[in-house]
Amino acid sequence: DIRVTQSPSTLSASIGDRVTITCRASQRISSWLAWYQQKPGKAPKLLVYQTSSLEAGVPSRFSGSGSGTEFTLTISSLQPDDFATYYCQLYDSFSTWTFGPGTQVEIK
Amino acid sequence: QEQLVESGGGVVQPGRSLRLSCTASEFSFSSYAMHWVRQAPGRGLEWLALIWYDGTKRHYADSVRGRFTISRDNSKNTLFLQMNTLRVEDTAVYYCVREVGSKGFDFWGQGTLVTVSS
Repeated sequence: DIRVTQSPSTLSASIGDRVTITCRASQRISSWLAWYQQKPGKAPKLLVYQTSSLEAGVPSRFSGSGSGTEFTLTISSLQPDDFATYYCQLYDSFSTWTFGPGTQVEIK
Repeated sequence: QEQLVESGGGVVQPGRSLRLSCTASEFSFSSYAMHWVRQAPGRGLEWLALIWYDGTKRHYADSVRGRFTISRDNSKNTLFLQMNTLRVEDTAVYYCVREVGSKGFDFWGQGTLVTVSS
């Protein structure tokens, strides 16, 4: 099975900061990687799919990149609405899906 | 407006069974693969099971294979999760999720809480 890690697990940042979250897979994967945002008590929301494609309606301050085993989600200028937990998700060839452990973005 | 509404959660004793339902509306349910994902209190997301749009294939996470069964009734726009031999560690919010193959999980229900406790 592919193992997925995210770093950092918690991130403290200020409004306007540039924020980067990293997702690492234990083995090389295709470009199939997605990012989700979750706020307390709410269902997750798709932000980025296929590594770098922005879901409709998601602000352009969010972007995704990466390849192989390392992928990143970047928020170019953190806004009050962005304080949440972020999860990466990958798909492997055995029709199973794995979420990363999550990164909580907190107000500094 | 598209909707996924889960139901069937509640409190159940260890070793017992429970069946969750998820009713879809305002989209072509039979065209989409569907999943169940859960989240234990204060924990991350865990993918559980997938069923193809026509119900012909199913895949499970190792943690639930053999205990949980995903199924669907496209005539009723409904997804199911039959959960048997429940354990305390199955306590979680269970989400019904729509998959768009090229994108991933683009639409989620609001979740239903399952509590396994004696």
